[in-house]
Amino acid sequence: EAQVTQNPRYLITVTGKKLTVTCSQNMNHEYMSWYRQDPGLGLRQIYYSMNVEVTDKGDVPEGYKVSRKEKRNFPLILESPSPNQTSLYFCASTRDSSYNEQFFGPGTRLTVL
Amino acid sequence: TQLLEQSPQFLSIQEGENLTVYCNSSSVFSSLQWYRQEPGEGPVLLVTVVTGGEVKKLKRLTFQFGDARKDSSLHITAAQPGDTGLYLCAGEVLANDYKLSFGAGTTVTVRA
Repeated sequence: EAQVTQNPRYLITVTGKKLTVTCSQNMNHEYMSWYRQDPGLGLRQIYYSMNVEVTDKGDVPEGYKVSRKEKRNFPLILESPSPNQTSLYFCASTRDSSYNEQFFGPGTRLTVL
Repeated sequence: TQLLEQSPQFLSIQEGENLTVYCNSSSVFSSLQWYRQEPGEGPVLLVTVVTGGEVKKLKRLTFQFGDARKDSSLHITAAQPGDTGLYLCAGEVLANDYKLSFGAGTTVTVRA
């Protein structure tokens, strides 16, 4: 089954404790993105990657890091999480640039205390 | 400030009624998409429109892209409880740019 998977689905952590949210897709997509979703603000892009070893900042990259060592994986790293990073996070992948259809993972709900 | 403004923010209607959701911007988009998101899941693409004035139909859903490619609407005819969800519009400002800008969404509730 073609899908985007994220882990963990739920995470409660404390300020300053480094964490990684994994994302993997099995559709051989070149393009992957991370979004955060907050009430009243919709989805905002954090980082995106157009290919292996190619990443770029989205609209709200502060406090986040990503890496793209393999085509299928695109982990999101929070080196020192803060309460304002409490949010619902989505990973997405895209096959090509024509119509930019995004296939989303199921989401990771992160709470930073 | 959102690049795409969606209205209304919330919509609650009775089964069988019609509804329209709007997505507006001052920017021109090369393409515009509509997604539906259900609780606990990621958004799922409903349709992509790329030509100004384009109208697409998906069963009881009708999508329209404005002539100037700055706005779009989603109309649902005879809404059913299964149409309940968060509807998001997303626009690609420049072709070959993989950054989509999303609206804040419209929460639609259809009461049985």
